[in-house]
Amino acid sequence: AQSVAQPEDQVNVAEGNPLTVKCTYSVSGNPYLFWYVQYPNRGLQFLLKYITGDNLVKGSYGFEAEFNKSQTSFHLKKPSALVSDSALYFCAVRGRTTSGTYKYIFGTGTRLKVLA
Amino acid sequence: DGGITQSPKYLFRKEGQNVTLSCEQNLNHDAMYWYRQDPGQGLRLIYYSQIVNDFQKGDIAEGYSVSREKKESFPLTVTSAQKNPTAFYLCASSTTSGRLNEQFFGPGTRLTVL
Repeated sequence: AQSVAQPEDQVNVAEGNPLTVKCTYSVSGNPYLFWYVQYPNRGLQFLLKYITGDNLVKGSYGFEAEFNKSQTSFHLKKPSALVSDSALYFCAVRGRTTSGTYKYIFGTGTRLKVLA
Repeated sequence: DGGITQSPKYLFRKEGQNVTLSCEQNLNHDAMYWYRQDPGQGLRLIYYSQIVNDFQKGDIAEGYSVSREKKESFPLTVTSAQKNPTAFYLCASSTTSGRLNEQFFGPGTRLTVL
């Protein structure tokens, strides 16, 4: 079965410290992986994606993510957290349905709280 | 929120009423999606459409209906058969080919049943 797991409901980090938000996935075939961020009462905003190529992907607002095929993980990272990074983060994978169409499977989200 | 509009932003429904949520995109995307978001449950797929005049049920389609008569529009109707419709509803779109395959999301509609 295709799935995405975000094992932490909430991550707290002090401003200026590095942050990691974890994501593991299960999908048949080559994974297309995504990270999105959501601010209160807003839609999701795309941060970055992994399709192929370098395992370290750089995205918006200084975020990056590391694809690890052997561990089936795609953790989101940032070297120095800002208070404004506080939001809800979603990991997603694009999978194929039995009819051959594509759909996106989302994790349950991780709330990041950056403390001043 | 990148070329996708949803209306209304807030919607109140009495029990037994059908309501329709609007989603329009000007990104020329073939695929469109409807998700429901509840606290602690992430996004759950209701319906999706890869092409005009065609759509498929997602994981929680019961009590919902959609149409895709135009490429730009993918309205969602929440029927009286949906027992617990209070939630935040998100519409998204994406291409179906090439490398630009991330989804673009609208700002959402918060539906409350009175």
